[in-house]
Amino acid sequence: DVKVTQSSRYLVKRTGEKVFLECVQDMDHENMFWYRQDPGLGLRLIYFSYDVKMKEKGDIPEGYSVSREKKERFSLILESASTNQTSMYLCASTASPGQGWNTIYFGEGSWLTVV
Amino acid sequence: KQEVTQIPAALSVPEGENLVLNCSFTDSAIYNLQWFRQDPGKGLTSLLLIQSSQREQTSGRLNASLDKSSGRSTLYIAASQPGDSATYLCAVRRTDSWGKLQFGAGTQVVVTP
Repeated sequence: DVKVTQSSRYLVKRTGEKVFLECVQDMDHENMFWYRQDPGLGLRLIYFSYDVKMKEKGDIPEGYSVSREKKERFSLILESASTNQTSMYLCASTASPGQGWNTIYFGEGSWLTVV
Repeated sequence: KQEVTQIPAALSVPEGENLVLNCSFTDSAIYNLQWFRQDPGKGLTSLLLIQSSQREQTSGRLNASLDKSSGRSTLYIAASQPGDSATYLCAVRRTDSWGKLQFGAGTQVVVTP
């Protein structure tokens, strides 16, 4: 089975802290994504990556950055956490479009609270 | 801009009744449409994927249809069970913007015993 693992399920951080959210997938997928999910707003794309060291901004990139040094790992970074970044963060991965756009697989989510 | 809408936002049915969940989208230029299930506090689990050239997909008690020209998809769950209680989301993969997914807000389903 495809597995997308988010190492931290629940985090509480202080305003201004630097926060790292880690995601690892085991299916050799080229494409990885970070979403945030908020009540009433649904899932919104923050950043995505279609290859190692490649990244593209999604719909709401402000206040975030990403890192993809290895194919299996995609990290989301909050340079200076703010209370409006309190949310559930979801990582996902999918195979390359050359193989036909296929199912996207999600991790279990990381609940971040910024106080 | 692609917009995806799911109505109703919440639904409660007695056990055994068939569930009908609706998803509509404004732009028919899509690669595919995917239905997901989300349990409280958890990630999304893929249920069915329908390519733009297909009309429907079936898996067990689940059947999803796609009418691209009218911008609609329907997820049917036959003979609902309490274990079907969850939030169901649909997402379309756009042909613009490198095929990014656009999600609906979801329909929260409660199946009562």
